[in-house]
Amino acid sequence: GAGVSQSPRYKVAKRGQDVALRCDPISGHVSLFWYQQALGQGPEFLTYFQNEAQLDKSGLQHGPSDRFFAERPEGSVSTLKIQRTQQEDSAVYLCASKRNSATDTQYFGPGTRLTVL
Amino acid sequence: QKEVEQDPGPLSVPEGAIVSLNCTYSNSAFQYFMWYRQYSRKGPELLMYTYSSGNKEDGRFTAQVDKSSKYISLFIRDSQPSDSATYLCAMSYNQGGKLIFGQGTELSVKP
Repeated sequence: GAGVSQSPRYKVAKRGQDVALRCDPISGHVSLFWYQQALGQGPEFLTYFQNEAQLDKSGLQHGPSDRFFAERPEGSVSTLKIQRTQQEDSAVYLCASKRNSATDTQYFGPGTRLTVL
Repeated sequence: QKEVEQDPGPLSVPEGAIVSLNCTYSNSAFQYFMWYRQYSRKGPELLMYTYSSGNKEDGRFTAQVDKSSKYISLFIRDSQPSDSATYLCAMSYNQGGKLIFGQGTELSVKP
């Protein structure tokens, strides 16, 4: 009974390094979301895919600026890439998937905890 | 000012107490309202989902939405130690769209 899985669960990076975070959504789920959750805060939206199409990347454009990129080339697995990591990027990165664009329930993965030193 | 405001707590109650959690929001365009529960080092899981104003009950949980006041609430009856977690309110403009979360309220239910 596979839920959303994310890897790695924990990542430590030195400032300036590039990192790649992976999300495996629930099989057959069309929609995929990425959120960033800082310590003691609620998740904040980063980007949204429907199949392989990135339909909303507004959260990548004016929070983390142009160092954050996401892709989902075959409409299943997704990767969130962070270039030139900064200390303020330290957070838990959550992935969520749902069956299709009309359904309501987003199922979240356990997250990847990124620490930038 | 954030679109969704939620008191972060922490909130500590004895087992069996009634817990009241709430959020306020500023954007009247929100149509869908949710409560998520998040255990430590886990992802959020959906507890309650409501559309527009009104009440919804599910077991020990009741969600209320008052759109005229831009105020939503979650009530937990007969609270249990297993209810200890962070409770996040979330809202969206359209069905199935991105979620806007509150800060989360940390709840501890003491045996």
